[in-house]
Amino acid sequence: NAGVTQTPKFQVLKTGQSMTLQCAQDMNHEYMSWYRQDPGMGLRLIHYSVGAGITDQGEVPNGYNVSRSTTEDFPLRLLSAAPSQTSVYFCASSVGTVRSYEQYFGPGTRLTVT
Amino acid sequence: AQSVAQPEDQVNVAEGNPLTVKCTYSVSGNPYLFWYVQYPNRGLQFLLKYITGDNLVKGSYGFEAEFNKSQTSFHLKKPSALVSDSALYFCAVRDMTTDSWGKFQFGAGTQVVVTP
Repeated sequence: NAGVTQTPKFQVLKTGQSMTLQCAQDMNHEYMSWYRQDPGMGLRLIHYSVGAGITDQGEVPNGYNVSRSTTEDFPLRLLSAAPSQTSVYFCASSVGTVRSYEQYFGPGTRLTVT
Repeated sequence: AQSVAQPEDQVNVAEGNPLTVKCTYSVSGNPYLFWYVQYPNRGLQFLLKYITGDNLVKGSYGFEAEFNKSQTSFHLKKPSALVSDSALYFCAVRDMTTDSWGKFQFGAGTQVVVTP
């Protein structure tokens, strides 16, 4: 199993540009989520999904869109990039919403918006 | 609302000494608690979890954590720290309230520095 994969590893955008961060998992996990990591802020939840076709907002959803058309993929779209979105983005997955299951994380995407 | 607090930004310890990383939580209902470690430029790796049962939970790389319900704490411990344990450690709680769908809430993280 490849686990959770993310592409690209690094990205530089100009303000106003849009892009999609890709996330895929091959573990047949129902639950997938996107976080951003900023110094001193820990991980903040952007959006999450509990299955294909079902998504919900997390703590910091503004400026981001998600969709979940398949179990495997959970892309994160930046609609119009802003410098405040400079961050490291992590995708994670879990077997499901059952409380005992932990999350598995991808390697991250480092995004810089100039 | 569920929340997790890690009161120390950084913990410094000499190699061979015991290591403790503190975590306190606030939940409604039973807590489901997790510890993760992040090495530089890497994603988070799962270390251990408390779901129910024994208050002392053993995990990967020689780490263990003690669940204390009365103090609402879930401190991570290692009896003898290694330089290679230097990393960023996160405590997390899984939100099991009715409309949360099992969202994870993470603490701010604690940087562990182990010196030779």
